[in-house]
Amino acid sequence: EVQLVESGGGLVQPGGSLRLSCTASGFTFSRSWMHWVRQAPGKGLVWVSRINSDGSSTTYADFVKGRFTIFRDNTKNTLYVEMNSLRAEDTAVYYCASEPSGWYSYFDFWGQGTLVTVSS
Amino acid sequence: DIVLTQSPGTLSLSPGEGATLSCRASQSVSSGYLAWYQQKPGQAPRLLIYGASSRATGIPDRFSGSGSGTDFTLTISRLEPEDFAVYYCQQSGSSSWTFGQGTKVEIK
Repeated sequence: EVQLVESGGGLVQPGGSLRLSCTASGFTFSRSWMHWVRQAPGKGLVWVSRINSDGSSTTYADFVKGRFTIFRDNTKNTLYVEMNSLRAEDTAVYYCASEPSGWYSYFDFWGQGTLVTVSS
Repeated sequence: DIVLTQSPGTLSLSPGEGATLSCRASQSVSSGYLAWYQQKPGQAPRLLIYGASSRATGIPDRFSGSGSGTDFTLTISRLEPEDFAVYYCQQSGSSSWTFGQGTKVEIK
């Protein structure tokens, strides 16, 4: 059974930092691109960042560029995102999602999400 | 970045009725890079359709996707009680991934 389990969310003050983790099992993690997608309370899905299978290439949405860093450890089947200079508007549930290798591009598996609240 | 606009925002229907959800892109999207997801309250999104028209594993055949270029459609042939949810389209292209704003399918 495929599982993606996020952790690390919580309450943080504006300007603070947080590291989220996503541990994968049940599929070949090292062959999948991985993404972070977030959802503010009551709002829609917003793509945040992506990393390729070996971690050599990353892409970010403009609104997190320079503040968030995505990375992975394929020996631990774990994806991370380091979030710095957090703002109130970063408050959201953060999901990790996998993108399988192949011709098509889509998110086949999702974690249950971890809530990040940025507030003083 | 490509903007996806979904319509309608809300669809009020009864179980057994059919639903047609639209997703329009601001630029042409490769069919291989258009997907649909279902999300229920408090749950993570679930993949329904990829490649514009291919059903994901375990998805009932009452769900179907179609379209090309800038216009894509998700059709639910006969709504079951568990189908009332929010549906999102999503595209991938040029190292950017975007979602539509969602269509809520609610019980009438």
